[in-house]
Amino acid sequence: DTEVTQTPKHLVMGMTNKKSLKCEQHMGHRAMYWYKQKAKKPPELMFVYSYEKLSINESVPSRFSPECPNSSLLNLHLHALQPEDSALYLCATAGQSIGSYEQYFGPGTRLTVT
Amino acid sequence: DAKTTQPTSMDCAEGRAANLPCNHSTISGNEYVYWYRQIHSQGPQYIIHGLKNNETNEMASLIITEDRKSSTLILPHATLRDTAVYYCIVRDPTSGSRLTFGEGTQLTVNP
Repeated sequence: DTEVTQTPKHLVMGMTNKKSLKCEQHMGHRAMYWYKQKAKKPPELMFVYSYEKLSINESVPSRFSPECPNSSLLNLHLHALQPEDSALYLCATAGQSIGSYEQYFGPGTRLTVT
Repeated sequence: DAKTTQPTSMDCAEGRAANLPCNHSTISGNEYVYWYRQIHSQGPQYIIHGLKNNETNEMASLIITEDRKSSTLILPHATLRDTAVYYCIVRDPTSGSRLTFGEGTQLTVNP
């Protein structure tokens, strides 16, 4: 199974809402990532988890809160977002965070903040 | 990680080879060249990577110049489904886990 799944596919939320994005993999990968992609721009790294511990936070605002409850799941909790946070949020996994492992990406969650 | 330069866009006729160039003149000895692509509204997809030698897999071939300052991704028989943004990324896998995407090349395969 080489699939990374993300739910929901689409999400519309108001600026006062709290919502969560979910990512799941069953490849036994030990590195998991969150990326943000604005329209017509390349993906930008947000967070990296290695062996279920946060290893990289690319100075992401605290209104984005990642969580890795186990080796198969990665969540991104959203609170008090701004309209400029509207984007495609991509999850990716890799065998490990160090080494020449390719990253496998999910299809993304398209988030609209109103 | 070294910076890469790619053309903004390219066109290719269906069935012909698509040759996508990438310049990485500041690449260092530990850095690999990775290629990913992103079909519209999908997540990026890994294609191939290499260090020094040319590499081939079922999707593509990667040709790296001897001085390693540039590379070319070759799709031998492009199809309409190969229309995508192609990203060339240079990364030292021992230094951390960042994949830093540049602007990429929009490849359009025409019938």
